[in-house]
Amino acid sequence: QKEVEQNSGPLSVPEGAIASLNCTYSDRGSQSFFWYRQYSGKSPELIMSIYSNGDKEDGRFTAQLNKASQYVSLLIRDSQPSDSATYLCAVNSGAGSYQLTFGKGTKLSVIP
Amino acid sequence: DAGVIQSPRHEVTEMGQEVTLRCKPISGHDYLFWYRQTMMRGLELLIYFNNNVPIDDSGMPEDRFSAKMPNASFSTLKIQPSEPRDSAVYFCASSPAIRETQYFGPGTRLLVL
Repeated sequence: QKEVEQNSGPLSVPEGAIASLNCTYSDRGSQSFFWYRQYSGKSPELIMSIYSNGDKEDGRFTAQLNKASQYVSLLIRDSQPSDSATYLCAVNSGAGSYQLTFGKGTKLSVIP
Repeated sequence: DAGVIQSPRHEVTEMGQEVTLRCKPISGHDYLFWYRQTMMRGLELLIYFNNNVPIDDSGMPEDRFSAKMPNASFSTLKIQPSEPRDSAVYFCASSPAIRETQYFGPGTRLLVL
């Protein structure tokens, strides 16, 4: 059973701070990793994808991947109240399988 | 493009009734996915199609669930008979190619009484 684990939160950070969201996965063969943001009552939207070990930056967002530790994280710099949402980590296991396994999400609250 | 379109947006029904959820993927997307989201289990893949052909239905919970994709622009997810434990938000998503970004529709909130 492939598993993706996230702290459910809520994670509260003050406006302007760095929010750090973490995710671990069980399938060592996983090759693709995604972070989705989901506002309350809305559908998930992709904000970052990462495929190789290391960091990937996109604006205020940085995704970090460590395949040896089976760990992926998302950093949000200069957090804004509009970043308040649930962040879902998703993992694809690779060749021959296109099933995305989602974590249950971490709820982030950015306090003005 | 209008994005992924789902209908109805909300559905309230009684136990034992048939429920049909509908999805129109983004034009040109070859992959279509049906997900179910609950607080307890999170977001789960039920089934996905490639070029209208079901590829993996291992996530379909029971024989009460069935999905079809008669053409590239339309898919249905049917629950017959429905049960209270089927209450959830059902999302449809589409993607242009394997391992590409999945674009989610607005979801159908299903409540089975």
